[in-house]
Amino acid sequence: EAGVAQSPRYKIIEKRQSVAFWCNPISGHATLYWYQQILGQGPKLLIQFQNNGVVDDSQLPKDRFSAERLKGVDSTLKIQPAKLEDSAVYLCASRPPVWTSDYNEQFFGPGTRLTVL
Amino acid sequence: AQSVTQPDIHITVSEGASLELRCNYSYGATPYLFWYVQSPGQGLQLLLKYFSGDTLVQGIKGFEAEFKRSQSSFNLRKPSVHWSDAAEYFCAVSGGSQGNLIFGKGTKLSVKP
Repeated sequence: EAGVAQSPRYKIIEKRQSVAFWCNPISGHATLYWYQQILGQGPKLLIQFQNNGVVDDSQLPKDRFSAERLKGVDSTLKIQPAKLEDSAVYLCASRPPVWTSDYNEQFFGPGTRLTVL
Repeated sequence: AQSVTQPDIHITVSEGASLELRCNYSYGATPYLFWYVQSPGQGLQLLLKYFSGDTLVQGIKGFEAEFKRSQSSFNLRKPSVHWSDAAEYFCAVSGGSQGNLIFGKGTKLSVKP
């Protein structure tokens, strides 16, 4: 079974530029999460999708961050314009369906490391 | 509000020595608890999880953790550390129906030869 795929793995941009990250969850996983992990901290949830609908985006800085999952499969997270404090690793995770034994487990992708100069 | 505290930022142990990483959580009901490991440049890999039942849970790579409700703790242990265990370890709690994870700040483990 293929894992969660993310691209790019690394990105360096200047402040005020825009950037987009892509995530393809494990096949059949309806729930998808985006986390931000700042150096020296644990991951923090940005947004959660259930199929193509947003379940929780309370911690997403909506003035500059946006995310979509139009067809309920892969997802894109965008930052526009980027700030220095957005430098972090952006992790995507997906969760199995409710009828599976590991329903409460999240499976993480390798992350995208963003550096804003 | 839910929270997770990992009191140790960085721990160094000798190869072959035992290991215990501490985790304390704050949650109103019975939480779901997790330990993840993150190697440099990698995503998070699940080591073990506790949902209910036996409070001593076994995980991958020889790790185990014990849930102690009275102490609100979920400490991770390994009897003999290998050099390949050097990584960052995150404790996390989940309790809502959405399954959102709340992570601690992590403990970085270094292993001396």
